[in-house]
Formats: sequence, structure tokens, C-alpha cells
Amino acid sequence: DAKTTQPPSMDCAEGRAANLPCNHSTISGNEYVYWYRQIHSQGPQYIIHGLKNNETNEMASLIITEDRKSSTLILPHATLRDTAVYYCIVRVADDYKLSFGAGTTVTVRA
Amino acid sequence: IAGITQAPTSQILAAGRRMTLRCTQDMRHNAMYWYRQDLGLGLRLIHYSNTAGTTGKGEVPDGYSVSRANTDDFPLTLASAVPSQTSVYFCASSDGVAGAREQFFGPGTRLTVL
Repeated sequence: DAKTTQPPSMDCAEGRAANLPCNHSTISGNEYVYWYRQIHSQGPQYIIHGLKNNETNEMASLIITEDRKSSTLILPHATLRDTAVYYCIVRVADDYKLSFGAGTTVTVRA
Repeated sequence: IAGITQAPTSQILAAGRRMTLRCTQDMRHNAMYWYRQDLGLGLRLIHYSNTAGTTGKGEVPDGYSVSRANTDDFPLTLASAVPSQTSVYFCASSDGVAGAREQFFGPGTRLTVL
């Protein structure tokens, strides 16, 4: 699986959009980009995934660059409850394994 | 119940003792997984199961065993616990291994081996 690079931490103001970057320059054509988050002491929670096209659901939007070497997770209106560690993961569709790196610790401030 | 449950929530265990962590899901998912998470690190896969009756080794399987007698349950056993197995253990499930399917995680079991 391709490795990912994320900033270790970032702050965001409550009510503003949070833009979380992820680099995956060695991604291959059959690898998806996944985002999970882990709120303190809880199990990870799936947010969104995509292959080539931008994706949006009730939680977030995922913007994937045309060359697929990087992506951005957008939380449109961050709340205090969005404070968590966010993991960007790339994975082949048929692979059972999710490889969690260190992620980005996002702190939403009032 | 809805989703994944794990038991116990936390446990303190003497080294050398045998311990089974329980995991049950009610979503009829084919695939189940066990991860461990150590302080400051991401999750690492211990064992997985594609479907009832089959299991496979993940990234850090040594010292752990699993069984999958039915769809709903996926217990993780430490035959003889050691202090390095002190960790938070998460069970997860997904609707099949193939395809871009999300994994659902349980609340975790915090295990301390003394």
C-alpha cells in the first residue's frame, strides 16, 4: 500500500471549514483514499473514501487532485465535537488491511 | 444491541495468565478484525477473518490467537500474557473484504499486563 504524509497537528476555529491535507504521491491506480477519525478513547470512525472523483457525504467532502498524488478532507463547519485524530489511508480495494499512520490531530477551538 | 460490542471494557492481568477478549457484531458482516493501539501510535492489525471458519494473520500476530466459529463472534485470546501486550484492543467488522467497504469499530478494551 502507498504511504501517506499528513501534518502532525492543526487548529481550526469552531464554525469554520477545516481543510486537512494528505500526500500520497506513490498511490497506484487501484488504490482508494480513505479517511477515518478517532475521537479520544473511542474506536476509529469511517468518514469518507474515494478513488478518482471528489466525494461528499453528510460528514465531509473529499477532494482528490487530478494526478491523485494528494487529497484534502474538508469538514465544512467544524464543531468542538470534531476534535480528533484524522487518518488518511490508501488501500487496494481487495485488501483486508487498513494501515493507520500517526494521523493529524485536529483541535477545534471555540 | 447495534453495531459492535467488546468485553471487558478494561482489565488488569497478571503476566502469564490467559485472557480472552470478546467481540460481537450484529450487522451480519462477513469480515472481522482485531487491532491493537499503543500510546502515540496508529492501529496495528493482529488477526482478521474473511468469513466464519477462516482466519488470517495480520501485522503483529505473535502471542495472540483467534477463532471464528460463527458470523457474529470473533474472540481474541492471549494464551500467556506478557507486559508488552499492554495496549488498547479494537475489534472491527466490515461487509466483506473485497471492495472499498468501510470498517466499523468497537469501543475498545484497555488491557494492562503487570
